[in-house]
Amino acid sequence: DTEVTQTPKHLVMGMTNKKSLKCEQHMGHRAMYWYKQKAKKPPELMFVYSYEKLSINESVPSRFSPECPNSSLLNLHLHALQPEDSALYLCASSQAQSYEQYFGPGTRLTVT
Amino acid sequence: AQTVTQSQPEMSVQEAETVTLSCTYDTSESDYYLFWYKQPPSRQMILVIRQEAYKQQNATENRFSVNFQKAAKSFSLKISDSQLGDAAMYFCAYRSGMNYGGATNKLIFGTGTLLAVQP
Repeated sequence: DTEVTQTPKHLVMGMTNKKSLKCEQHMGHRAMYWYKQKAKKPPELMFVYSYEKLSINESVPSRFSPECPNSSLLNLHLHALQPEDSALYLCASSQAQSYEQYFGPGTRLTVT
Repeated sequence: AQTVTQSQPEMSVQEAETVTLSCTYDTSESDYYLFWYKQPPSRQMILVIRQEAYKQQNATENRFSVNFQKAAKSFSLKISDSQLGDAAMYFCAYRSGMNYGGATNKLIFGTGTLLAVQP
């Protein structure tokens, strides 16, 4: 099983809403990642969790709050987002932080 | 700092033909990994092929192969017998092999090449 799953596939939220994105993998990977991707651009790294601890925060605004409840799950809590935060949010995992990453299908987020 | 450059924003190939996508990178490190990722319209990033810098042999994965020129810092992807399903955005990516932890192991992506396959 080399699958990373993400829910929901699509999300529309207002600027005052609170929502969460969920990512799950059952490959025994110990590193998990959140990326933001705008149309026709490469993914931009947001956060890295390694062994369930936050390893990298790429200076992401506090309206994005990651959480890693266990080694298989990664959440991204969203609050008070701006329209410019509309993008595809990709989750990825790897065996460890220095191994190749496998990506999920993404959540397409629209902020109205 | 490491950089990855893809100089071809768009490419087109006829079905069953061969196409080569270019990628160059800049690094002062000796230990690193290079990847090609494919992102079809469904938007899921799929790992196509990887190359370890210490290996002289070019990586091959079915119809996909790379031409890794370490001295020239070039890492091109060749797709043979192109199929309609190969139509996608292709990203070249670099990752340091040095074990400093933190951001040094992040993937550095190029800007991508959009490949169209004509029937």
